[in-house]
Amino acid sequence: IAGITQAPTSQILAAGRRMTLRCTQDMRHNAMYWYRQDLGLGLRLIHYSNTAGTTGKGEVPDGYSVSRANTDDFPLTLASAVPSQTSVYFCASSDGTFSYNEQFFGPGTRLTVL
Amino acid sequence: GQNIDQPTEMTATEGAIVQINCTYQTSGFNGLFWYQQHAGEAPTFLSYNVLDGLEEKGRFSSFLSRSKGYSYLLLKELQMKDSASYLCAPMDSNYQLIWGAGTKLIIKP
Repeated sequence: IAGITQAPTSQILAAGRRMTLRCTQDMRHNAMYWYRQDLGLGLRLIHYSNTAGTTGKGEVPDGYSVSRANTDDFPLTLASAVPSQTSVYFCASSDGTFSYNEQFFGPGTRLTVL
Repeated sequence: GQNIDQPTEMTATEGAIVQINCTYQTSGFNGLFWYQQHAGEAPTFLSYNVLDGLEEKGRFSSFLSRSKGYSYLLLKELQMKDSASYLCAPMDSNYQLIWGAGTKLIIKP
């Protein structure tokens, strides 16, 4: 693994189903983030984690949950998917939460909820 | 509230220079990032400014004026591969990035 990986690459999901998007990084970064990107809108932060064992809510957390059991993994779970959660989801990580730490992004997961 | 404003789309000619502007209003300020995003791909880091002035990095330069809430990205000697969206993202007082919708740059031969 080099950098950040996400799985699956894309998924079509029936409304009401539970889904977990996976994110793994091998850079030993402390901070990790989940964003969604919709056409015409900027990236919106869903949840974040400043270090293993801690998580926080971003701008649009409703309907999503995360966990950070270790440094490398940061899964995002949709408990009961709805069509408005159709989006491209990006996981990102950074070496820390200080202002100068750039974020590195995974390749994204394209999710369609029908 | 927090707001980022950048043009939706710009067109430029290969070999030319283009300036992409960004104005912002955030709760506190801890620097501003520019990212490049090719269609269907992830954003990648271009530049970071925290002090006023111009930062030059090869063909790309980024400028910041904190008092005006203004930044621009300057791309010189445009190449076809520069066709992409350019995302302006200031960092607020909680060290969270606030993302603009991005400027889609179209390069014509």
